[in-house]
Amino acid sequence: SQKIEQNSEALNIQEGKTATLTCNYTNYSPAYLQWYRQDPGRGPVFLLLIRENEKEKRKERLKVTFDTTLKQSLFHITASQPADSATYLCALLHGSSNTGKLIFGQGTTLQVKP
Amino acid sequence: EPEVTQTPSHQVTQMGQEVILRCVPISNHLYFYWYRQILGQKVEFLVSFYNNEISEKSEIFDDQFSVERPDGSNFTLKIRSTKLEDSAMYFCASSPVDRDYQPQHFGDGTRLSIL
Repeated sequence: SQKIEQNSEALNIQEGKTATLTCNYTNYSPAYLQWYRQDPGRGPVFLLLIRENEKEKRKERLKVTFDTTLKQSLFHITASQPADSATYLCALLHGSSNTGKLIFGQGTTLQVKP
Repeated sequence: EPEVTQTPSHQVTQMGQEVILRCVPISNHLYFYWYRQILGQKVEFLVSFYNNEISEKSEIFDDQFSVERPDGSNFTLKIRSTKLEDSAMYFCASSPVDRDYQPQHFGDGTRLSIL
């Protein structure tokens, strides 16, 4: 079955630095991979979507890369701020249509210290 | 920005009782989903729904679970006879129709506590 691994340990960085989160997957070749943010007690909030034929996607201070050979996605937050502190979830789409299901990683908790 | 809304935010129910969780998806979205997250664990897919029928369901979504779109705006998840292990956050999500895949947008969930 498909498996997604994210760094289970919390990532602590200083404000202003770049945070890099890793998502590795096995036993599948997803056409789409997404990153979500989740705050305690809240639902996942969509951040970025990257397709299998895209190497990189950017949105403001966020950047996602997608290496289908390594089966890995990296998520970067540049010029990090304390407000970026949250859990970040990687999710791949199983199935090629809009009715496909998302398979989530366990998330990496980011703590940005002022 | 349009949101997926879920009610109630917290539901406490006795084991064996029926519970209905309600969702109002984003208005122009036509694909609907339910996921759940047991405390400290991953978000897990339960079911997807399109054109008034289930598109896919997981092993978790057994005969005790059902979904319905009773009118043009609501999407519900019913658990007929709740078990202790049904305690979790339940998230509704929706996505629009498009030629290309569009991301799923989630509500803030209903925390279901089974006593």
